[in-house]
Amino acid sequence: DQQVKQNSPSLSVQEGRISILNCDYTNSMFDYFLWYKKYPAEGPTFLISISSIKDKNEDGRFTVFLNKSAKHLSLHIVPSQPGDSAVYFCAASGKVYGNKLVFGAGTILRVKS
Amino acid sequence: DAGITQSPRHKVTETGTPVTLRCHQTENHRYMYWYRQDPGHGLRLIHYSYGVKDTDKGEVSDGYSVSRSKTEDFLLTLESATSSQTSVYFCAIRGFDTGELFFGEGSRLTVL
Repeated sequence: DQQVKQNSPSLSVQEGRISILNCDYTNSMFDYFLWYKKYPAEGPTFLISISSIKDKNEDGRFTVFLNKSAKHLSLHIVPSQPGDSAVYFCAASGKVYGNKLVFGAGTILRVKS
Repeated sequence: DAGITQSPRHKVTETGTPVTLRCHQTENHRYMYWYRQDPGHGLRLIHYSYGVKDTDKGEVSDGYSVSRSKTEDFLLTLESATSSQTSVYFCAIRGFDTGELFFGEGSRLTVL
């Protein structure tokens, strides 16, 4: 059973608009969450993270929001650019999982120019 | 650049043959991981290592073994490859002071 779920396999957005990628998790023991971006034929690259003691973390055009009560996090990209087109993976970790990350299935983002 | 090199980058093999994938890192990281990526499943942990000769299983370890005889190399072995092991395999290391993982470029394995 997937502990980290990305229910939207794909998302298409117009350049300049906001992209919102969603992620849900089932295990309340997760306390650290990350987003990765992956281009074809490359390895995933770290994008942004958030600790469970926060509800928001911002880095340039990227903002991650965490709603612990709903066990939900989202990644906002504003404004979206064609170069943002990639697969985005949500990941979670926690002390009970040691130094391992549990990943979601990914969401393909297409930004149209 | 986390100094991670995976080899081979591409391999085609036949069912029943042994396969070894190598992950090499240059920065003395303690933690190393092997993940596989499959459509609809994202990245799933196969095995990981927390030091030389110290390894443990991940969520999809059946059919795989690993070895780490020195800090810089983490080997993933498929003793007898099956078609279900056709996948893209990623090695990762954990940052020194952070929880982030840094990934290699991947090894695409096709088992016919």
